[in-house]
Amino acid sequence: NAGVTQTPKFRILKIGQSMTLQCAQDMNHNYMYWYRQDPGMGLKLIYYSVGAGITDKGEVPNGYNVSRSTTEDFPLRLELAAPSQTSVYFCASSTGWGTEAFFGQGTRLTVV
Amino acid sequence: KQEVTQIPAALSVPEGENLVLNCSFTDSAIYNLQWFRQDPGKGLTSLLLIQSSQREQTSGRLNASLDKSSGRSTLYIAASQPGDSATYLCAVNGAQGAQKLVFGQGTRLTINP
Repeated sequence: NAGVTQTPKFRILKIGQSMTLQCAQDMNHNYMYWYRQDPGMGLKLIYYSVGAGITDKGEVPNGYNVSRSTTEDFPLRLELAAPSQTSVYFCASSTGWGTEAFFGQGTRLTVV
Repeated sequence: KQEVTQIPAALSVPEGENLVLNCSFTDSAIYNLQWFRQDPGKGLTSLLLIQSSQREQTSGRLNASLDKSSGRSTLYIAASQPGDSATYLCAVNGAQGAQKLVFGQGTRLTINP
């Protein structure tokens, strides 16, 4: 059982480039989340989804977009990358609101 | 706005000691609280989830307590081992339908052999 899988694990982007961070879960969870973690800080919610076709903004959504066409996948799109988006990105999933959350291994992104 | 604080930011203890990690939150109207472990360069691993109606949860050498009215949770680790070295994060789920976990900054724990 793979759980939550994120790709890639590491990426270096130049300012202004775009990329998509992939997230897939095989637990048939309805809820999925994207967080970012900056050094010495807690995780902040970027976007979340409560099911296929439904997404909503979290605390820090600017500069990002998401889509949820299937239950399994929840990609995060960065448009026009900026140095402020240098961070570690975590995808997570849960069966529903308030239930135990399971996290992927993270994607370490550097924008130069 | 819910804020979660973990003190201390770092803790170093000799192997075999019992220790307590602290987590406080500003809004007591929570649904539950979850403790995670994060190893360097890795994702988060869920350790314990404690519902707002519960006072404590136990898993092996770990015991999490919750005092919702005072906005505090503790994670007790018994007979610490070098393998317990990691960053420990607590996160709360709001009770008002907020669809997110609010995280503390974490406590970086080092167990010295």
